[in-house]
Amino acid sequence: GAVVSQHPSWVICKSGTSVKIECRSLDFQATTMFWYRQFPKQSLMLMATSNEGSKATYEQGVEKDKFLINHASLTLSTLTVTSAHPEDSSFYICSYLAGNYNEQFFGPGTRLTVL
Amino acid sequence: QKEVEQNSGPLSVPEGAIASLNCTYSDRVSQSFFWYRQYSGKSPELIMSIYSNGDKEDGRFTAQLNKASQYVSLLIRDSQPSDSATYLCAVYNNNNDMRFGAGTRLTVKP
Repeated sequence: GAVVSQHPSWVICKSGTSVKIECRSLDFQATTMFWYRQFPKQSLMLMATSNEGSKATYEQGVEKDKFLINHASLTLSTLTVTSAHPEDSSFYICSYLAGNYNEQFFGPGTRLTVL
Repeated sequence: QKEVEQNSGPLSVPEGAIASLNCTYSDRVSQSFFWYRQYSGKSPELIMSIYSNGDKEDGRFTAQLNKASQYVSLLIRDSQPSDSATYLCAVYNNNNDMRFGAGTRLTVKP
């Protein structure tokens, strides 16, 4: 399967600061990628879908001005959590759509803790 | 109605037994179907994909698809404690639309 990396793997920050998470595909190029959020013991929640060179499409209830997505190239996307608050503490996972049958390949995730 | 439904579990089976995980979906035009395994604190890992009716086997895993019944399942033979995880069913419809079930938590007891 395709290899996807995320950086950082975990981050702790103070309330009110902004945090940037990078997602890279290491062995393929993909025009479409996804950002998910997962709270403890809950299912994956799709936050947004982004296509390279276009604005991201956000799911209902996800604030686009708070969660800034930049799909800079076919191999790099970033998610910036602006003015983070404790309720933003979660596991953030990116994935790329790849393969002949539209498989999704996930990054290892970033655990964000906002104090 | 949820688009992709799974029993949340937990499903508990003894080591060596067959674990059966089930999933139903609502969109008849769904094209591709996937099973992901997610260990606690980790991201999902693709373990099986299936696109046409019938069975698909890969090692101890068998995926079964019945489009008429809108049903997809995953069988794990000779279950091992290391198979203990949450299994996510995912359905790809079109236009980059992938929907995940809530997942079934499987525990394999030694």
